[in-house]
Amino acid sequence: DTGVSQDPRHKITKRGQNVTFRCDPISEHNRLYWYRQTLGQGPEFLTYFQNEAQLEKSRLLSDRFSAERPKGSFSTLEIQRTEQGDSAMYLCASSLEQTQYFGPGTRLLVL
Amino acid sequence: EDQVTQSPEALRLQEGESSSLNCSYTVSGLRGLFWYRQDPGKGPEFLFTLYSAGEEKEKERLKATLTKKESFLHITAPKPEDSATYLCAVQATGNQFYFGTGTSLTVIP
Repeated sequence: DTGVSQDPRHKITKRGQNVTFRCDPISEHNRLYWYRQTLGQGPEFLTYFQNEAQLEKSRLLSDRFSAERPKGSFSTLEIQRTEQGDSAMYLCASSLEQTQYFGPGTRLLVL
Repeated sequence: EDQVTQSPEALRLQEGESSSLNCSYTVSGLRGLFWYRQDPGKGPEFLFTLYSAGEEKEKERLKATLTKKESFLHITAPKPEDSATYLCAVQATGNQFYFGTGTSLTVIP
């Protein structure tokens, strides 16, 4: 399978816990994006990497959120001290030029 | 402020009944407009990229068109398997992409 993969697919956690999600992009893609999507809404941009450099971050990305892309390959998104409002689908996308290809997402539920 | 609006929010069609979905946008410097299909619980699936006014792209029963202010996704003789949410996204200057809230399409056999 040469598509974007994300792990885990589902995560249930208690409020206040930390969670980390992983994204493996399409192998030749140098650009990687993270989005958050809540029910009935379109994906909201969180952050963007070109190779290992994090070039843009949304105002939505509070200081509890951090993303990394070591060596310009896979990426991780960590949420510290989770809140119920963090419950959402977290989507990763990668691209070589402009068109982004999405992974299946990680659905987070914070109890 | 960059903005993307999709209409209608929901659309129910009989199988074979053609229709169009609308995506209107206000962005500073359009670099590209993208259509995606999203099934429940899954990530968006890429359909089309349009770069300039007048451009059209087709794939099976779908055809996407672009003007300076909006894009249409035309669905010809839809089938039940076309039922999904259709998302429109724009890329303005920079690398941020702005998505609309989508049109939920239901095709009734």
